[in-house]
Amino acid sequence: QLQLQESGPRLVKPSETLSLTCTVSGGSVSSDKDYWSWIRQPPGKGLEWIASIYYSGSTYYNPSLRSRVTIFLDTSRNQFSLRLTSGTAADTALYYCTRYISATGWFDPWGQGTLVTVSS
Amino acid sequence: DIQMTQSPSSVSASVGDRVTITCRASQTIDSWLAWYQQKPGKAPQVLIYAASNLESGVPLRFSGSGSGTDFTLTISSLQPEDSATYYCQQAKSFPLTFGGGTKVEI
Repeated sequence: QLQLQESGPRLVKPSETLSLTCTVSGGSVSSDKDYWSWIRQPPGKGLEWIASIYYSGSTYYNPSLRSRVTIFLDTSRNQFSLRLTSGTAADTALYYCTRYISATGWFDPWGQGTLVTVSS
Repeated sequence: DIQMTQSPSSVSASVGDRVTITCRASQTIDSWLAWYQQKPGKAPQVLIYAASNLESGVPLRFSGSGSGTDFTLTISSLQPEDSATYYCQQAKSFPLTFGGGTKVEI
């Protein structure tokens, strides 16, 4: 059974970089033909897709975040990661890692989510 | 980018009521639409995919319809455990986008 788990600092200072890692178990980031993805949800607000990376390494970004976001795979550790530079309070959110199944068009499964706060 | 507009933003209904949530895409997405249910403190879970296909294990009181730009999620007989926020998501193309959500209160 595929499982995903987010990890990374919970508190980031303004202007600094937010870095999160998703550890995948029960599947492989380098062979499963799906898109590994990050989605965030500010407190009390809706869902925002951030980025996805295909098992082959092709990347897709939300245009509103493209200039600040990088998503990448670490196949040796079966992980994928997110870097978001120049953090502001608007980046405070619950960050989920998930798998996007392009054949059916949905995200599943999801990690439990990790709350990242951008504050001094 | 494809914009997804959900309505209403919230609805209050009673047990046994029929509840309908609509989602409109800014351009045609064929049937590339999924619906999710999110309960407080939990990650979203898919209910419907390809506009009208019920995910395994989802109660039959949930149904989806529509194609092109207009879609509907219907709960035929509202149950207490259906209190949640519901989101639509288009899967036609990147960037993937979600509707703003509909909070269902009982």
